[in-house]
Amino acid sequence: SQKIEQNSEALNIQEGKTATLTCNYTNYSPAYLQWYRQDPGRGPVFLLLIRENEKEKRKERLKVTFDTTLKQSLFHITASQPADSATYLCALVTVYGQNFVFGPGTRLSVLP
Amino acid sequence: DAGVIQSPRHEVTEMGQEVTLRCKPISGHDYLFWYRQTMMRGLELLIYFNNNVPIDDSGMPEDRFSAKMPNASFSTLKIQPSEPRDSAVYFCASSYGLAGAFEQYFGPGTRLTVT
Repeated sequence: SQKIEQNSEALNIQEGKTATLTCNYTNYSPAYLQWYRQDPGRGPVFLLLIRENEKEKRKERLKVTFDTTLKQSLFHITASQPADSATYLCALVTVYGQNFVFGPGTRLSVLP
Repeated sequence: DAGVIQSPRHEVTEMGQEVTLRCKPISGHDYLFWYRQTMMRGLELLIYFNNNVPIDDSGMPEDRFSAKMPNASFSTLKIQPSEPRDSAVYFCASSYGLAGAFEQYFGPGTRLTVT
């Protein structure tokens, strides 16, 4: 069956450290793997995407990797700050937009 | 642009009543999505439109749910009759589609409570 999972429901890290979130999927062939941030009471906000033929993308303190062999994407936040505390969702989009599927999310808490 | 606009922001209704949620997408976007979010099931895609045409409604839970997009700037999601298990936050999102790598812009959501 098709599935998309994120490694943990919650992750606590110390300010200044690198947070690493994992997204795994099975039985999909995504054209894009996207990452969103969601704050309580708000809609998800797009952060970054990576295409199937890309290995790594960076944007400021954010880095995303994509391994289509392992069927996994890693999302890194370097020099984390308490303001980075939120729920992070991965989402996959298959070719031509036939499937749009979100993972369950990981709630990140950055402790001062 | 004001972003995706949803109304109402909160809706409390009694079981059996009709509920209509509204969405105005970002101008120029050619895809519109309706999602439902609950603690138990996360963010689930209900239906999406491309150029006002419903493309995939396989996520609509039952015949009680229906969605329309009469023009490029307006969509509705209707639940009739509503049931307590429909209580959730409903999000509308829009996107440029393939040209924008399906990057989605979400509205603030409608929190629906059915008693």
